[in-house]
Amino acid sequence: EVQLVESGGGLIQPGGSLRLSCAASGFTVTTNYMSWVRQAPGKGLEWVSIIYSGGDTYYADSVRGRFTISRHSSKNTLYLQMNSLRVEDTAIYYCARDNGRGSYAFFDYWGQGTLVTVSS
Amino acid sequence: DIQMTQSPSSVSASVGDRVTITCRASEAIGSFLAWYQQKPGKAPKLLIFAASSLQSGVPSRFSGSGFGTDFTLTLNSLQPEDFATYYCQQAKSFPFTFGQGTRLEIK
Repeated sequence: EVQLVESGGGLIQPGGSLRLSCAASGFTVTTNYMSWVRQAPGKGLEWVSIIYSGGDTYYADSVRGRFTISRHSSKNTLYLQMNSLRVEDTAIYYCARDNGRGSYAFFDYWGQGTLVTVSS
Repeated sequence: DIQMTQSPSSVSASVGDRVTITCRASEAIGSFLAWYQQKPGKAPKLLIFAASSLQSGVPSRFSGSGFGTDFTLTLNSLQPEDFATYYCQQAKSFPFTFGQGTRLEIK
């Protein structure tokens, strides 16, 4: 059974850093396109970043230069390193897997989400 | 960036009704469109990908159509569990963008 479980969220002051983890089971992270998507409280969905199976990475303009997506093959885990956090980064962060059916971003499996709150 | 605009923003309907939600892209995206359902406190669920392909396990009362810039999600014979928020998303180019959401409420 495919499962994604995020962890690492919490309350952090502006300017701080946090690393989110997404532990995968039932499939291999390194052979799939994996993304992070976030949702501010009461708001819509915003794509954040993607890592291709080959290792290429891409970011939304709002996080480029501050966030880094990566993965660990033996732990079968996806990460999001978030630096220089801003109040506007407050959101539930989801990891999601592409369904491999013709695009990089048809997300068929999602984690339960982890809440990041940036506040002083 | 490609802007995705959904309409309506909210709709009220009754069990058994048929509902159509539309999504318009600011530029042509071919069939690179997905539809998601999200319930409060839960992660989104993929319903339709490639504009009209039904994701495995999704009931056949959900259907999608469209190409280029105009897309629709149709829900036939609404069930109580269908009342949720629905999002479209383009997967044609970076950054991948979502519509603002359509809230489907019980009348």
